[in-house]
Amino acid sequence: EVQLVESGGGLVQPGGSLRLSCSASGFTFSNYAMNWVRQAPGKRLEYVSAVTTDGGRTYYADLVKGRFTISRDNSKNTLDLQMSGLTPEDTAIYYCVTATGWYGYWGQGALVTVSS
Amino acid sequence: EIVLTQSPGTLSLSPGERATLSCRASQSVSSNLAWYQQKPGQAPRLLIYATSTRAAGIPDRFSGSGSGTDFTLTISRLEPEDFAVYYCQQYGTSPYTFGQGTKLEIK
Repeated sequence: EVQLVESGGGLVQPGGSLRLSCSASGFTFSNYAMNWVRQAPGKRLEYVSAVTTDGGRTYYADLVKGRFTISRDNSKNTLDLQMSGLTPEDTAIYYCVTATGWYGYWGQGALVTVSS
Repeated sequence: EIVLTQSPGTLSLSPGERATLSCRASQSVSSNLAWYQQKPGQAPRLLIYATSTRAAGIPDRFSGSGSGTDFTLTISRLEPEDFAVYYCQQYGTSPYTFGQGTKLEIK
């Protein structure tokens, strides 16, 4: 059974940092590009960041470029998202997803709340 | 970026009825369109990709059609578990984008 389990969410003050992790199992992790997708309260789903299968190339939505860093460790089947310079607009549930263009598998999400 | 507009915003139907949900793109995405279902408190679930290909385990009452800028998700005969929010997503052009969702509610 495919499982993606996010961790590391929580409450952080504006300007702060947070690191999300995603642990993958049940499939060959290294065969899939991976993305982070977020959903702010009452808003549509939004692409955040992507990483290629080998981690060699990374991509970011304009809103997070320069503040977020995506990385993966294929030996540990993990995906990370290092977030800094957080603003209240970054408040959302962050999902770890497999990316084949479409998003086939989703984690349960990690809630990030940016508030003072 | 490509903007996806879904209609209607809310659709009120009864179990057993047919549901037709629309998704319009601001420019062509070819056939690079997917549909997702999201229930309260849950992550989205992939239903359809490549416009009309059902994901594994998705019942055949779900079907997708369209191309270019206009797409449709049809649920032929609604079951109680189908009442949820549905999102379309384009992956033809980066950044990949989603529609704002259609809420399918019980009438």
